[in-house]
Amino acid sequence: QKEVEQDPGPLSVPEGAIVSLNCTYSNSAFQYFMWYRQYSRKGPELLMYTYSSGNKEDGRFTAQVDKSSKYISLFIRDSQPSDSATYLCAMSGGNTGNQFYFGTGTSLTVIP
Amino acid sequence: SAVISQKPSRDICQRGTSLTIQCQVDSQVTMMFWYRQQPGQSLTLIATANQGSEATYESGFVIDKFPISRPNLTFSTLTVSNMSPEDSSIYLCSAASQINTEAFFGQGTRLTVV
Repeated sequence: QKEVEQDPGPLSVPEGAIVSLNCTYSNSAFQYFMWYRQYSRKGPELLMYTYSSGNKEDGRFTAQVDKSSKYISLFIRDSQPSDSATYLCAMSGGNTGNQFYFGTGTSLTVIP
Repeated sequence: SAVISQKPSRDICQRGTSLTIQCQVDSQVTMMFWYRQQPGQSLTLIATANQGSEATYESGFVIDKFPISRPNLTFSTLTVSNMSPEDSSIYLCSAASQINTEAFFGQGTRLTVV
């Protein structure tokens, strides 16, 4: 079983839609959770960083962590064509040492 | 946040040659990592670059093939040695200011071996 599971998509939505991106994980020791956005031919860009369970909001983006279910989500409100990218979840902490564990990424296309 | 400059951004190399990729961070960081990313796939950790000591390599990656230097807290290099077409990939440098803080990435080096 992979440490982090993420549906690769692709996911296609109309402009203005609410997008939900999700990851599940197996190691209950993870404490730090991140979402990255990666445009084609670019490096990953950090979008959200959260610690432990709960919600964090930043503009149109909301990150949710449910440690009891080992499930994290990224919601994008009022999606824009510029949101079209691959979204990677990542996590670290606990007994995992100094490593970051990444999902495989979800490809999102927002159609104008 | 940390700003990471990585160069070259891309290169086309002949098989059997070596390429050194440089990674410069705009602030001192504790952790530096090197990843490989195949098109359409996630990140594979090559090694953790340790300041002042040998890098820590992941299974499947060896120092002779991917020598890494980290002379200080802001700079690291990754060399891809004796390249073959199978080494064609995107190589990414990443850094975190401290253990268990968020990681930042460079823009990547797109390597094509012919």
